[in-house]
Amino acid sequence: EDKVVQSPLSLVVHEGDTVTLNCSYEVTNFRSLLWYKQEKKAPTFLFMLTSSGIEKKSGRLSSILDKKELFSILNITATQTGDSAVYLCVNQGGSEKLVFGKGTKLTVNP
Amino acid sequence: DAGVIQSPRHEVTEMGQEVTLRCKPISGHDYLFWYRQTMMRGLELLIYFNNNVPIDDSGMPEDRFSAKMPNASFSTLKIQPSEPRDSAVYFCASSPPIFVPAPSGANVLTFGAGSRLTVL
Repeated sequence: EDKVVQSPLSLVVHEGDTVTLNCSYEVTNFRSLLWYKQEKKAPTFLFMLTSSGIEKKSGRLSSILDKKELFSILNITATQTGDSAVYLCVNQGGSEKLVFGKGTKLTVNP
Repeated sequence: DAGVIQSPRHEVTEMGQEVTLRCKPISGHDYLFWYRQTMMRGLELLIYFNNNVPIDDSGMPEDRFSAKMPNASFSTLKIQPSEPRDSAVYFCASSPPIFVPAPSGANVLTFGAGSRLTVL
């Protein structure tokens, strides 16, 4: 059965810290891995990763995929209180369904 | 495009009542998904449609849940009768055909704002 496991489940840091969120997956016929950010509303898209070793960057956020070891990481540097959210890792496999991880709840304190 | 539109945003009802949640996907998106989110279980896929046809409803909890998509621009999720354990946020999402990853991110799953259901 396809599954996505995120760690840690919860993380509390101070503004300015750097955080690394982890996502490991098992999926049949991997197609892509996506990261979403969810605040008190619907998840919003961050990154889509399809190839190993190619870093995607958007401001202070970056992500990379390792298809051999079946994991991805999401890095956030110089965290701000606005980064507080649940970060979801999503895997697209051979079927049309998408498999979601449980999410990592990040809290950034001032 | 206004994005995926869901209604109602909030619904409070009593156990045993019928609940109908509505969704308008993004125009041109072939896929429509209904998800349920709770603290305990995270995001769970209930059912999804491709070109208005239900493809997989294995995530629908039980016969009390039903979903329809009468046309490309409208879908409903109905719970009858509702129970307190159905309390959750229900998200509708749509996407274009997802077998072709788009590095730009344009062809990805887009969520509606969600419908928060409370069953007393």
